[in-house]
Amino acid sequence: DTGVSQNPRHKITKRGQNVTFRCDPISEHNRLYWYRQTLGQGPEFLTYFQNEAQLEKSRLLSDRFSAERPKGSFSTLEIQRTEQGDSAMYLCASSFAGGDGYTFGSGTRLTVV
Amino acid sequence: SQQGEEDPQALSIQEGENATMNCSYKTSINNLQWYRQNSGRGLVHLILIRSNEREKHSGRLRVTLDTSKKSSSLLITASRAADTASYFCAVFMNYGGATNKLIFGTGTLLAVQP
Repeated sequence: DTGVSQNPRHKITKRGQNVTFRCDPISEHNRLYWYRQTLGQGPEFLTYFQNEAQLEKSRLLSDRFSAERPKGSFSTLEIQRTEQGDSAMYLCASSFAGGDGYTFGSGTRLTVV
Repeated sequence: SQQGEEDPQALSIQEGENATMNCSYKTSINNLQWYRQNSGRGLVHLILIRSNEREKHSGRLRVTLDTSKKSSSLLITASRAADTASYFCAVFMNYGGATNKLIFGTGTLLAVQP
């Protein structure tokens, strides 16, 4: 297992289009997190899963955002009707339950034009 | 909303010098963690200190935690040009198992000049 994998690395899309990102966590980890990071800021929490259950969603996650983790393995984050304000780095991380350190992927950089 | 605030926002030092970054937070925590991020990349976990610990070491890293002041510091000794990166503190809060996630601060951008 080589860590957390995110695809694609970069995505450029036109405003109003839908985009989907994928995250493959470390297989032994039962928790998976999505964060968003804009330039010069720290990562902001979006949502997290324990196994296949989505346990918490941030208020940042508008109804245009949806995340899934079928079968408790990989996860997808979909943004519908993208807006320029959605441009950011989307980071995925995984961990064991219990509050220990997270392993982050390299992120997907989204640019909405 | 972001929980931690790092100070300074940016720090420039010469190779071989020590770098100290500070983090303040607002609520009771389970643990505090420090991460490093190279430009445009994901974050790398550096060190974790639990709320009942006061100091922890890992290689050239030294972390302190003062829960009474709700603050932490990260010291990097004998810095190298390769230490150039952004450093983030993150707090893990555990409200009876209902909320379990890391909340990150705004980061310190460290530049180590060769």
